[in-house]
Amino acid sequence: GAGVSQSPSNKVTEKGKDVELRCDPISGHTALYWYRQSLGQGLEFLIYFQGNSAPDKSGLPSDRFSAERTGGSVSTLTIQRTQQEDSAVYLCASSLDKNTEAFFGQGTRLTVV
Amino acid sequence: AQSVTQLGSHVSVSEGALVLLRCNYSSSVPPYLFWYVQYPNQGLQLLLKYTSAATLVKGINGFEAEFKKSETSFHLTKPSAHMSDAAEYFCAVSDRASNYQLIWGAGTKLIIKP
Repeated sequence: GAGVSQSPSNKVTEKGKDVELRCDPISGHTALYWYRQSLGQGLEFLIYFQGNSAPDKSGLPSDRFSAERTGGSVSTLTIQRTQQEDSAVYLCASSLDKNTEAFFGQGTRLTVV
Repeated sequence: AQSVTQLGSHVSVSEGALVLLRCNYSSSVPPYLFWYVQYPNQGLQLLLKYTSAATLVKGINGFEAEFKKSETSFHLTKPSAHMSDAAEYFCAVSDRASNYQLIWGAGTKLIIKP
């Protein structure tokens, strides 16, 4: 596609429910990143994919968070048993390779009530 | 470990005044350096990048940044601020040692006074 696409753009969920966030990277981009941005905060790294494998999962805040990428393209970030502190904007970015600039999606704003 | 420090979480300048946003990094090997901008309720957009070519890098919207190895800095400047420049600006570094993963600064919110 022309840019990185994330869905949904907004998600309101009840505490304790599971949510899935989707990222469609730019076609041909091998590297994919997930970040979290809480209100008024900077970017918190979550996970990085190179192709389908995730060489760096160090940023996932707890075992309630998981991510996968299939076919070297679409990625889903899953948050199980959501908590209020999970409320944030989740940003996805992709790059042609690991040493080129990243292009960002518009983000998914998650609100846990 | 690599790190990025952006001095000042908020910077306020008058319209038409010089914009200077500071970024210092730590890297043990030659880095790639980036400035991204995030307008309200939008995703991040690349402003400019340094990848070991010219040390003075020109980006979009009249912004430029100079890589100074001796100072480990990559400050962002614009000669004359415009109201539309109000946004949050993020500096990032990547290098071979970090497997080219982007390491981010905390961001600086630029406020433009009329």
